[in-house]
Amino acid sequence: DARVTQTPRHKVTEMGQEVTMRCQPILGHNTVFWYRQTMMQGLELLAYFRNRAPLDDSGMPKDRFSAEMPDATLATLKIQPSEPRDSAVYFCASGLGVTTNEKLFFGSGTQLSVL
Amino acid sequence: QKEVEQNSGPLSVPEGAIASLNCTYSDRGSQSFFWYRQYSGKSPELIMSIYSNGDKEDGRFTAQLNKASQYVSLLIRDSQPSDSATYLCAVMNSGNTPLVFGKGTRLSVIA
Repeated sequence: DARVTQTPRHKVTEMGQEVTMRCQPILGHNTVFWYRQTMMQGLELLAYFRNRAPLDDSGMPKDRFSAEMPDATLATLKIQPSEPRDSAVYFCASGLGVTTNEKLFFGSGTQLSVL
Repeated sequence: QKEVEQNSGPLSVPEGAIASLNCTYSDRGSQSFFWYRQYSGKSPELIMSIYSNGDKEDGRFTAQLNKASQYVSLLIRDSQPSDSATYLCAVMNSGNTPLVFGKGTRLSVIA
């Protein structure tokens, strides 16, 4: 049963610490997305990759967030330094490509709490 | 700014009734429309997609699209308590850009 795998599921950290979230997309999917979900803002796109190349990261605060895809089986999202306002659920999703019938499959998410 | 709007709810319906969820979008050039269901504490899962005007049925679910009115809806027939969740409308805008999600409508089906 193909699925997107995210780690860790939960992360509690103190303000100022580095946070790294990892994602393994579904094998064969060439597009990977990072979304952040909060009650107030809903699902917001942070960044996405196609064939490992970053296409858009305009949704991320550049001074503290970075997203990379070192190989086809791993995408990472880092926050350094973390702040309490970063507390949210971070979802990774993968798809077969940004086409008119894009269907995204989501990982279980990382629940991040920054104290 | 390209937006997708949904009523946040909660929408409460009795078991066995029809639940009607609505969504409007701002980009007239939008091409693809999706409904995701998200249970509390879980990730969104795709339940319906629609690309052309009219109705599309899948079991108890019917998606309706009206591009002229920039309106998409989801009907759930014979609602069950297990349908209680947040329903997210997602739109692919023109230019093959990533999905834009609405904030979701929380549905509660009362037994």
